[in-house]
Amino acid sequence: DTAVSQTPKYLVTQMGNDKSIKCEQNLGHDTMYWYKQDSKKFLKIMFSYNNKELIINETVPNRFSPKSPDKAHLNLHINSLELGDSAVYFCASSQETHGEAEAFFGQGTRLTVV
Amino acid sequence: KQEVTQIPAALSVPEGENLVLNCSFTDSAIYNLQWFRQDPGKGLTSLLLIQSSQREQTSGRLNASLDKSSGRSTLYIAASQPGDSATYLCAVEPNDYKLSFGAGTTVTVRA
Repeated sequence: DTAVSQTPKYLVTQMGNDKSIKCEQNLGHDTMYWYKQDSKKFLKIMFSYNNKELIINETVPNRFSPKSPDKAHLNLHINSLELGDSAVYFCASSQETHGEAEAFFGQGTRLTVV
Repeated sequence: KQEVTQIPAALSVPEGENLVLNCSFTDSAIYNLQWFRQDPGKGLTSLLLIQSSQREQTSGRLNASLDKSSGRSTLYIAASQPGDSATYLCAVEPNDYKLSFGAGTTVTVRA
């Protein structure tokens, strides 16, 4: 019944590894996002997809690559992980229409790079 | 560039007291403003969504106001309970698909 689900919830990995975080939403929304929450608790958008098309790509290292196989899924793949990538990553979804776009968030994935 | 500020950063009150959380944003050209609750180790839960044409929204003990022209929103929580202890985040949606978040106000309600 979870509206936006992310896996895994916790991820501990070594520097230099490649890892993926998966996200799925069952709300029928057209738009999905990835946000990063840093140690100071600020949430910043990384990517947004609308109907499988990339519409927002903030200043994020190209080691981060989102993949949207269909509009219910938006996965985040990270190559050559660095210590500074340690953070909590949130997936979210919303309807396309502005003004009514209540965003629903997943529970987050705590990534720790050692 | 939209900047969102939340004051205070932390708040501790005795149970039963009313809570007042403030949010300010620099660009008034927004589609909506949303208040979220974040519990430690958990995701964000949407509390209230105020569209740009609205001035307030209410849900149970929660009431949020929006003054677009002055770039402010206030979240009121009446008769606080220990279960209200969490971090409350304010986010605005400008004319693109992004949400811009404040750093949050961490609330502790003492029993």
